[in-house]
Amino acid sequence: GIQVEQSPPDLILQEGANSTLRCNFSDSVNNLQWFHQNPWGQLINLFYIPSGTKQNGRLSATTVATERYSLLYISSSQTTDSGVYFCAVVGSGNTGKLIFGQGTTLQVKP
Amino acid sequence: GAVVSQHPSWVICKSGTSVKIECRSLDFQATTMFWYRQFPKQSLMLMATSNEGSKATYEQGVEKDKFLINHASLTLSTLTVTSAHPEDSSFYICSAVDPSTDTEAFFGQGTRLTVV
Repeated sequence: GIQVEQSPPDLILQEGANSTLRCNFSDSVNNLQWFHQNPWGQLINLFYIPSGTKQNGRLSATTVATERYSLLYISSSQTTDSGVYFCAVVGSGNTGKLIFGQGTTLQVKP
Repeated sequence: GAVVSQHPSWVICKSGTSVKIECRSLDFQATTMFWYRQFPKQSLMLMATSNEGSKATYEQGVEKDKFLINHASLTLSTLTVTSAHPEDSSFYICSAVDPSTDTEAFFGQGTRLTVV
């Protein structure tokens, strides 16, 4: 099956700093999503981005499907950005069955 | 985006009892829903695919007799953890696919199960 690798596993930032999270996947995909898991466990949809670039406020994401990676950019980080960021993909021929990476745990310090 | 609601948010049960978790799609119909499990400090792992009107499909290593899934309507899937043991304590979370994109998944709030 598809392998999803995220890096770095842990990241500590000072408030106001920028960061880039990376997601590599081992095969072609139908879907790629980025999520933020809050302290209560809820998964917040950040981006649905099987290819291309999207921006939403201080966050943006780019997926280069041909090279099998996606990047999540966080600019001017805030303490509320802290949490775990997951990348998840759906393999070709599947619908809805997400394969998750191991996540990046982000801590933003004031 | 699509709204998925899960209930309860947390539950504590005694070892040997059964617990039912509900997952509802609130503003769309979902012929397929998905159940995941997450242990502390780990990622989410797909347990099973819930299919409306037919049997669920379980991932390798997931006991179908222990984790009973029923998808009796187009807006409701239930996961019943039968004869729960402490090792079943985990975070269970469901998802459904937004029919307008047919691929973007939305998640319920999750259920934290503690078996004592």
